[in-house]
Amino acid sequence: AQTVTQSQPEMSVQEAETVTLSCTYDTSENNYYLFWYKQPPSRQMILVIRQEAYKQQNATENRFSVNFQKAAKSFSLKISDSQLGDTAMYFCAFMKTAGAGSYQLTFGKGTKLSVIP
Amino acid sequence: DGGITQSPKYLFRKEGQNVTLSCEQNLNHDAMYWYRQDPGQGLRLIYYSQIVNDFQKGDIAEGYSVSREKKESFPLTVTSAQKNPTAFYLCASSIGIRTGRHYGYTFGSGTRLTVV
Repeated sequence: AQTVTQSQPEMSVQEAETVTLSCTYDTSENNYYLFWYKQPPSRQMILVIRQEAYKQQNATENRFSVNFQKAAKSFSLKISDSQLGDTAMYFCAFMKTAGAGSYQLTFGKGTKLSVIP
Repeated sequence: DGGITQSPKYLFRKEGQNVTLSCEQNLNHDAMYWYRQDPGQGLRLIYYSQIVNDFQKGDIAEGYSVSREKKESFPLTVTSAQKNPTAFYLCASSIGIRTGRHYGYTFGSGTRLTVV
């Protein structure tokens, strides 16, 4: 079974600064997807960014970017120019694409990020 | 607008009572999922369905039941056999496995269930 580990239960960052959230995963699969989801106080789950394992180029979405290290099974999220609206729980998630349990999302336990004015 | 709707937003259950959480999507997604969220636990998969009239147990299915009679609907029943049902429940949908690309899940806004 796949596992996803987020080692930072809570983090804080000053507004306009940069912060990096860590995520590691354990799998024997070669093809898979990785995702970061954001859950603000409203509790709505919002997709932040996705990465396909076969792509070496790191995904970026505006102020959000990832550092995907396939060999190390690491998938960190960098938030640049942090804004107050970035305050949320962030979940890292893994999805394999073959075999039992394919296309199911396995989530880490989350990192609570607070952006300080 | 396409989306996924969960109702009710808040639900209270008495001891020994079954309750049903509604989940409806108009995204034409094949697959639907139910997750439970507890503080410090992340999201845990209860049941999922990749196609109408078929569903599979997830990691924590005991005390729950589902049905998938229509593509758009995937209701979750929390039965009296679920001893600790107080939690936040999230429904999600996705395109499933019919294409080669996957863009993650779309989530509903959740139902907060409390035992009284």
